[in-house]
Order: sequence, then structure tokens, then C-alpha cells
Amino acid sequence: EDQVTQSPEALRLQEGESSSLNCSYTVSGLRGLFWYRQDPGKGPEFLFTLYSAGEEKEKERLKATLTKKESFLHITAPKPEDSATYLCAVIGGANSKLTFGKGITLSVRP
Amino acid sequence: DSGVTQTPKHLITATGQRVTLRCSPRSGDLSVYWYQQSLDQGLQFLIQYYNGEERAKGNILERFSAQQFPDLHSELNLSSLELGDSALYFCASSATGRMNTEAFFGQGTRLTVV
Repeated sequence: EDQVTQSPEALRLQEGESSSLNCSYTVSGLRGLFWYRQDPGKGPEFLFTLYSAGEEKEKERLKATLTKKESFLHITAPKPEDSATYLCAVIGGANSKLTFGKGITLSVRP
Repeated sequence: DSGVTQTPKHLITATGQRVTLRCSPRSGDLSVYWYQQSLDQGLQFLIQYYNGEERAKGNILERFSAQQFPDLHSELNLSSLELGDSALYFCASSATGRMNTEAFFGQGTRLTVV
């Protein structure tokens, strides 16, 4: 069964303090790893899809990277509006469903 | 705004009752996915429909069922409701039937079973 573990569960940063969120996964034949952002009471918002080890994608202050065992979401010089829960999900070859981690709640203080 | 519309936004009902949640996908999207999100379980995939046909099934209980209509909107039916069914229910849509493509989520329906 596919498994996704995200760490830490919660992260508090000062505005401008860069950091990384970790997503470790176990999947047979990775077909895609996804990062979503979720604000309280809202639906997840798509950020990135990564398909193979070594792939990187960037969007504003966010950069996602992928290895064979984990993915990192790097946040450079975060702002308070980056505060949200960041979800990681994987889909493998032997299983057609998307498996989500429990998320990392990021809080950025001004 | 993702373009995915879910109704109602909130629903309060009693144990043993049946409810129907509705989802309209983004214009042009053929796939609809249903997810359940609770505090302890996180986001759990329930079921996927593609162009009217069931495509994939996840952790969906037998008391729950779904369908996708010719106009591509979808409904999730929850019956014999229990307290533990209280959760946020999300619908997502994507253009293709492949689950490893970008999906867009609606704002969710918050179900409270009392």
C-alpha cells in the first residue's frame, strides 16, 4: 500500500526565514507526486506535479524537488500569506488512487 | 476560484438519515473525484468517475454511492449516516481520466451528523 509521511506536522517561521517541508513516500512505480496548498475551510489548491527523480519545479517563492524516496517543498523568504497547510500526495503504478499525507501546517509571522 | 462548484456548503443532519452532495466540474473536465477529509484521517480518496463511468474506487463505504450524469455533474449519496461520517467532502475534476494529472478542487461540503 502506498504511504506518504510529511514532516514536521507544524512549522512556524518568521517572515523572510527560508525553510523546507519534507514528504517521504513509499510507492510501487511512482506515476506522480503532487503538492497542494490548503487554506482553512477551503479546498486544496494545486501547486506542482513531479514525475521523476531529479525533477524540480518553481513558482514564486516555492520550489519542489523530488528524489526516489522523498520530495521537498522549499520556501524562500516566506511571507505571512504563505501560511497554509501544504499537502503532498502520490500515485503509484500498482494502485490507481491518489494517497495524501496528513499535511504540514505552516505559519509565517510578520 | 477553481471552477468546481459544490453544493451545499454546509449540511447538518441526524444519524440514520440520507443526504446527497452535488458537484459541477470545471467546464470541459470529464473526470470527477470525491474525497473525504477528517481531522484524524486526512484526505481520503473515495471514488472517480470519468465521462459517466466509474473509473476507480478508493476507501468508499458500502453506505455511500456516487454517479456522474450525462451533463458531467456528479452526486455523492451518503445513507444510514453515522456520527463518524461527519467530515469535509471535496469534489475535484480533471480534464483526463488519468489520476496522475492536475486536479482542481471545489470548496467542499461540510457535513455534520448529530
